Amino acid sequence: DQQVKQNSPSLSVQEGRISILNCDYTNSMFDYFLWYKKYPAEGPTFLISISSIKDKNEDGRFTVFLNKSAKHLSLHIVPSQPGDSAVYFCAALDQAGTALIFGKGTTLSVSS
Amino acid sequence: NAGVMQNPRHLVRRRGQEARLRCSPMKGHSHVYWYRQLPEEGLKFMVYLQKENIIDESGMPKERFSAEFPKEGPSILRIQQVVRGDSAAYFCASSPDRGTFHTDTQYFGPGTRLTVL
Repeated sequence: DQQVKQNSPSLSVQEGRISILNCDYTNSMFDYFLWYKKYPAEGPTFLISISSIKDKNEDGRFTVFLNKSAKHLSLHIVPSQPGDSAVYFCAALDQAGTALIFGKGTTLSVSS
Repeated sequence: NAGVMQNPRHLVRRRGQEARLRCSPMKGHSHVYWYRQLPEEGLKFMVYLQKENIIDESGMPKERFSAEFPKEGPSILRIQQVVRGDSAAYFCASSPDRGTFHTDTQYFGPGTRLTVL
């Protein structure tokens, strides 16, 4: 049973617009979440994270929002750029604080 | 500052052979994690090691798979008697020494793509 779900396999956005990637989780004990970006034939690259004591974390063009009551988080990219085209993975740190539990990813395509 | 290094990047084995995947963590990192990504899936945790110790192997298949992180040298993920279902991308990650915080970010290597014929 998937504990971290990314229900949209793909998203297409025009350059300059906002990209919103969504993620849902089932385990209310998760308290740390991360977003990774992955290009083909490369490893995941860390983008941004958020602790459950916060509801928002911002880093440049990237903002992650956490809604604990809904067990939902989202990644906003503003403005989107063609170089942002990649697969984005949402992950939760397990309760032992060791394993990352990943969603299946959302492929973002930003067109110019 | 070199990132996490993995080799080989691509590995082809025939059924029944052994596969050895190597991972060198980032400088100063003593925590290593192995993940596997099957086609069209997210990454799945396999094992977490510190130097000379396996800390959490809850994601490792019970048979044919083993991992080590010796005092000297890279971490090794070993798959004996490979089968076609082992074909996947295997990623290694490392994180800094931990104090009391468990949220040190894991940094990933480029992966080894294993193909079993």
